[in-house]
Amino acid sequence: GAVVSQHPSRVICKSGTSVKIECRSLDFQATTMFWYRQFPKKSLMLMATSNEGSKATYEQGVEKDKFLINHASLTLSTLTVTSAHPEDSSFYICSARVDNVNTEAFFGQGTRLTVV
Amino acid sequence: GENVEQHPSTLSVQEGDSAVIKCTYSDSASNYFPWYKQELGKRPQLIIDIRSNVGEKKDQRIAVTLNKTAKHFSLHITETQPEDSAVYFCAASKTGNQFYFGTGTSLTVIP
Repeated sequence: GAVVSQHPSRVICKSGTSVKIECRSLDFQATTMFWYRQFPKKSLMLMATSNEGSKATYEQGVEKDKFLINHASLTLSTLTVTSAHPEDSSFYICSARVDNVNTEAFFGQGTRLTVV
Repeated sequence: GENVEQHPSTLSVQEGDSAVIKCTYSDSASNYFPWYKQELGKRPQLIIDIRSNVGEKKDQRIAVTLNKTAKHFSLHITETQPEDSAVYFCAASKTGNQFYFGTGTSLTVIP
């Protein structure tokens, strides 16, 4: 299947700093990518839809100024957690679909963010 | 938006028994329903999916059923094995759009 690579897999940062997470589709183009957040033993919560060449679409309750998304190319989307705080500590995971017609989503390996 | 509910949240079965996980969805426009298996600290992996024009799909020990009228779908795992132990998520999606996941079911298969 298609491969989605996410980097870094783990990151520890100090409170108040910003962290950038990259999501790459390695062998296919993805006009749209999705960012999820997962708390321990909880489900994947959709945060936003990343659209190549245009603004991301955020789910209700997700702060767009807090979680900046950039989708500058058909193979790369980035999520920047700005001014991170301990409550932002979580598992962030991206996904992409090869096309827009009823296909499975391929997930990155996820990023464990710890804010100290 | 779509609301996907999943039950049970935890499930323990003896090895060799069957496991059933059920999900309901709210948006009648959803037409694609995948099931993902996630092991601790790893990415979700697709195990089976079903489209809205099909009522049932089977792949070896795994099967999924869909009732569009009632807006619910189920995952059936037969002859469970210890390696089936994981968290399972259902999801619902409209064509080209994002997935909305259920709350997950932690399955434990007892040897």
